[in-house]
Amino acid sequence: QVQLVESGGGVVQPGRSLRLSCAASGFTFSTYGMHWVRQAPGKGLEWVAIIGHDGSYKAYADSVKGRFTVSRDNSKNTLYLQVNSLGAEDTAVYYCARDFETGKYCDYWGQGTLVTVSS
Amino acid sequence: EVVLTQSPATLSLSPGERATLSCRASQSVSSCLAWYQQKPGQAPRLLIYDASKRATGIPARFSGSGSGTDFTLTISSLEPEDFAVYYCQQCSNWRTFGPGTKVDIK
Repeated sequence: QVQLVESGGGVVQPGRSLRLSCAASGFTFSTYGMHWVRQAPGKGLEWVAIIGHDGSYKAYADSVKGRFTVSRDNSKNTLYLQVNSLGAEDTAVYYCARDFETGKYCDYWGQGTLVTVSS
Repeated sequence: EVVLTQSPATLSLSPGERATLSCRASQSVSSCLAWYQQKPGQAPRLLIYDASKRATGIPARFSGSGSGTDFTLTISSLEPEDFAVYYCQQCSNWRTFGPGTKVDIK
């Protein structure tokens, strides 16, 4: 069965960085695009980034462009999100999700990893 | 940016009742719209995509309709496990989500 397991979240000071990971199993990772979506505590969902199956296509929400970098290692079945220059507005649960219908939707989601930006 | 508006914010119903949730887009998104269900402490679950297609394993009591700017998610007869928050999401212009509709027990 499809499994996505995020890790790397935690409490971080404003301006610092983190690298989030998402370990995938149960499907051929290298043939699927992947997404990052975040959810601030008690709030709605916000799309963060998408990466194509081979890493050649990447796109970001305006709110994170220039600060976040999505990447993947298909040999390790792992997706990454490098998050830099963190601010309080980046506090959220970060979900990785598998692409469905060529970039349009997400059909499987991980359980999320919480990033808390606080001094 | 396409802004999605969902109504009502909260829908209080009893098991067995019909639920009708609305999602309106600030500009046409054609049929590029999905609905997700999210329960507390869980990740979202894809229910409907392309406005009206049920995702794999989704019960037939869930149905979607609409195109352009106005969309509806209908749950024909609420089961206890259907009480949750429902989000719409458009894929016509980047990807944005609506603010959600909470379906709670009356």
